[in-house]
Amino acid sequence: AQSVTQLDSQVPVFEEAPVELRCNYSSSVSVYLFWYVQYPNQGLQLLLKYLSGSTLVKGINGFEAEFNKSQTSFHLRKPSVHISDTAEYFCAAFTGGGNKLTFGTGTQLKVEL
Amino acid sequence: GAGVSQSPSNKVTEKGKDVELRCDPISGHTALYWYRQRLGQGLEFLIYFQGNSAPDKSGLPSDRFSAERTGESVSTLTIQRTQQEDSAVYLCASSLATGGSLGNTIYFGEGSWLTVV
Repeated sequence: AQSVTQLDSQVPVFEEAPVELRCNYSSSVSVYLFWYVQYPNQGLQLLLKYLSGSTLVKGINGFEAEFNKSQTSFHLRKPSVHISDTAEYFCAAFTGGGNKLTFGTGTQLKVEL
Repeated sequence: GAGVSQSPSNKVTEKGKDVELRCDPISGHTALYWYRQRLGQGLEFLIYFQGNSAPDKSGLPSDRFSAERTGESVSTLTIQRTQQEDSAVYLCASSLATGGSLGNTIYFGEGSWLTVV
């Protein structure tokens, strides 16, 4: 079955430092990959998605992610974080033709001064 | 409306009572999803509706849970004889057609926070 693993439950980082949030998926078939962000007391918002084509995907708020098929990873990165990036980040995947968007358990990014 | 709308935003209920949670998807979105998010955990798929096709109910945790959708509009998630472990945020989402296979973005509502006491 399709699954999504987020290796870090919490990532503390200082403001203006770079950050990488890790995501691995398990599937040998075509996948569609997503990163969602959930700010405190708000709903989920799409950051970026990979469907096909270029393996480097740029999203909103300066985030980007790289699809790596050989390592079955889709890590999220930002070169310089801000306090406002403090939120829960979820990696998710659809298998081709599937109906369920499967989510990882989330990574809490805490940006500190 | 402009986004996925859910009601109530907060609900506190006594154990054993039934609750209904409502979702208004984005106009024109034929696909509708319900997810559950327990405190400190990821999102669990519950059920998926696509147009007039039979819903995918494979994520419903027990027969106390059911959901309906009239056409391509409002959906209601019903939890009967609520238990404390049902306490969670229930998230509704919608998309054009099938989110994954057509690459359509799935848009989420802000959720209904359910607390069973």
